[in-house]
Amino acid sequence: GDSVTQMEGPVTLSEEAFLTINCTYTATGYPSLFWYVQYPGEGLQLLLKATKADDKGSNKGFEATYRKETTSFHLEKGSVQVSDSAVYFCALTPAGGTSYGKLTFGQGTILTVHP
Amino acid sequence: GAVVSQHPSRVICKSGTSVKIECRSLDFQATTMFWYRQFPKQSLMLMATSNEGSKATYEQGVEKDKFLINHASLTLSTLTVTSAHPEDSSFYICSASIQGSSYEQYFGPGTRLTVT
Repeated sequence: GDSVTQMEGPVTLSEEAFLTINCTYTATGYPSLFWYVQYPGEGLQLLLKATKADDKGSNKGFEATYRKETTSFHLEKGSVQVSDSAVYFCALTPAGGTSYGKLTFGQGTILTVHP
Repeated sequence: GAVVSQHPSRVICKSGTSVKIECRSLDFQATTMFWYRQFPKQSLMLMATSNEGSKATYEQGVEKDKFLINHASLTLSTLTVTSAHPEDSSFYICSASIQGSSYEQYFGPGTRLTVT
């Protein structure tokens, strides 16, 4: 079945540092890929997405590129802020079939940014 | 836009009792709602998919008689944990997708259930 693997956390950075959170997936065909963010006490929010190979999703300074050849969707940000402290989830949904629309999540990565 | 609420946010109940959790889409119609369970420091595990007006589809290993799901309208789905046990203690999260955009889900803030 489909699966998503994220780098283990927690990740602790100083403000303005560069962030990378690795995400790789296993799925047939061309799934859609997502990054969700969960701020303390809140529900998950969609951060960015990519629906086909080589697409780059971006939002709030975060970027991730859909790499079919390496089955990866790594999240990056050039300069993190304290307000970026949250849990980040990589996820996918199949391109079609009976599981279309169902999300498979990675285990989540806790990011803490210090001033 | 696309706000999903859950009620209650936190509930404590005794073993053997039942607990109902509500999930509402506040500003859109949700043809499909999803229920997840999240254990501490672990990922979200899909429990079931709920479509308005039809029976929910449960994931493998999820007891349908224990976790009753009712999707009564396009803005409301409920999860009832029946005869709760301490091992049912968890964080339950719902999400809803907008009609015509089934792969994009909007998540509620979650409900912390503690069974004593």
